[in-house]
Amino acid sequence: DAMVIQNPRYQVTQFGKPVTLSCSQTLNHNVMYWYQQKSSQAPKLLFHYYDKDFNNEADTPDNFQSRRPNTSFCFLDIRSPGLGDAAMYLCATSREDSYEQYFGPGTRLTVT
Amino acid sequence: AQKVTQAQTEISVVEKEDVTLDCVYETRDTTYYLFWYKQPPSGELVFLIRRNSFDEQNEISGRYSWNFQKSTSSFNFTITASQVVDSAVYFCALSGRKDGANSKLTFGKGITLSVRP
Repeated sequence: DAMVIQNPRYQVTQFGKPVTLSCSQTLNHNVMYWYQQKSSQAPKLLFHYYDKDFNNEADTPDNFQSRRPNTSFCFLDIRSPGLGDAAMYLCATSREDSYEQYFGPGTRLTVT
Repeated sequence: AQKVTQAQTEISVVEKEDVTLDCVYETRDTTYYLFWYKQPPSGELVFLIRRNSFDEQNEISGRYSWNFQKSTSSFNFTITASQVVDSAVYFCALSGRKDGANSKLTFGKGITLSVRP
């Protein structure tokens, strides 16, 4: 089945220690998104890629970076995680000609 | 600016009851798109439906139905004969016309639905 895959599902990192979350997709969608969702809140868009074009949301902290080496993979790098970065991180994809976004299962990040 | 309001935060029903989840939106766009997503405890956001602003026809899919009322800026979601598996957080979302390829979603705060056996 075509899908959006996120690994790992649970990630624990230490305060200030860089961490990378990964997302892959078999849908061949050319748009990929990263969202942050804190407990009991709505998902918040961090950035998105349209093919290789990176688009940052204005209020996304510099601490968050992303890489998309090819169509299938996209990475979220948190350079120096703080306690406030503990959240669920959701990856989503869409076709450029469609409005539906398809989400992965998320990675729950804990910062100790 | 776009805004989605889900005034209900938590709803608890007994299995087989019908339940309606409310969604009110604000936008200045003349063309826009409305969505409902389901987020079960596993965390994945599951796409349920998209409705275009120029199509006010209501939709039914099995036990799910959606009532789009442009006059009141509402897009309500009804689950008929609820089941325990319907327990989840439900998000209503709004998107304007694409900015490039980005169909940026504005989410409501979500409604936690608990269906008790």
